[in-house]
Amino acid sequence: AQSVSQHNHHVILSEAASLELGCNYSYGGTVNLFWYVQYPGQHLQLLLKYFSGDPLVKGIKGFEAEFIKSKFSFNLRKPSVQWSDTAEYFCAVNPADSWGKLQFGAGTQVVVTP
Amino acid sequence: NAGVTQTPKFQVLKTGQSMTLQCAQDMNHEYMSWYRQDPGMGLRLIHYSVGAGITDQGEVPNGYNVSRSTTEDFPLRLLSAAPSQTSVYFCASSYSSAGGPHEQYFGPGTRLTVT
Repeated sequence: AQSVSQHNHHVILSEAASLELGCNYSYGGTVNLFWYVQYPGQHLQLLLKYFSGDPLVKGIKGFEAEFIKSKFSFNLRKPSVQWSDTAEYFCAVNPADSWGKLQFGAGTQVVVTP
Repeated sequence: NAGVTQTPKFQVLKTGQSMTLQCAQDMNHEYMSWYRQDPGMGLRLIHYSVGAGITDQGEVPNGYNVSRSTTEDFPLRLLSAAPSQTSVYFCASSYSSAGGPHEQYFGPGTRLTVT
């Protein structure tokens, strides 16, 4: 079955540390890729998206992600996290052969300590 | 714009009862979806729609029905509630371009408990 895998379920790090969250998917064709964030008690918000073009995409709040087609990966990075980045992060993939059928990874809970 | 609205915010049902979760969007988006969110499992797609009159199943459609008679509304019906349907339900909508559907705009969610 086609799937979206997020490598870490739980990450704890200190303020100013760098963050990288892994995401791999198993679809073979064209895909649109997304990272969403869910702050405690809130609904999901878009961090960034990739459709085509430059594989390094920049999003809000200093986040960026790199699409590596050969590795079926779309990893999220932030050079220096803040306490306010404590949230759950979700990778999502929409394959071109079924537009609208967005599939999410299981999520990574990130806790940033002061 | 109100964006994506969902009602109710909270609901408690007894096993076997039926109910409809309402979802509406005022952004004229073609795509609408229903997800359930359970701890450690991310969001799982229940049903989705690519336009009025067109719906399709997602990953976990059993026990749920949808219809899309207008662009704005996409209600989710629980036919006979079961404790396994205890979850937080999110409705979302998105617009599309030649490159496919864009990001989802999420509603605030409905927290459903089935006893």
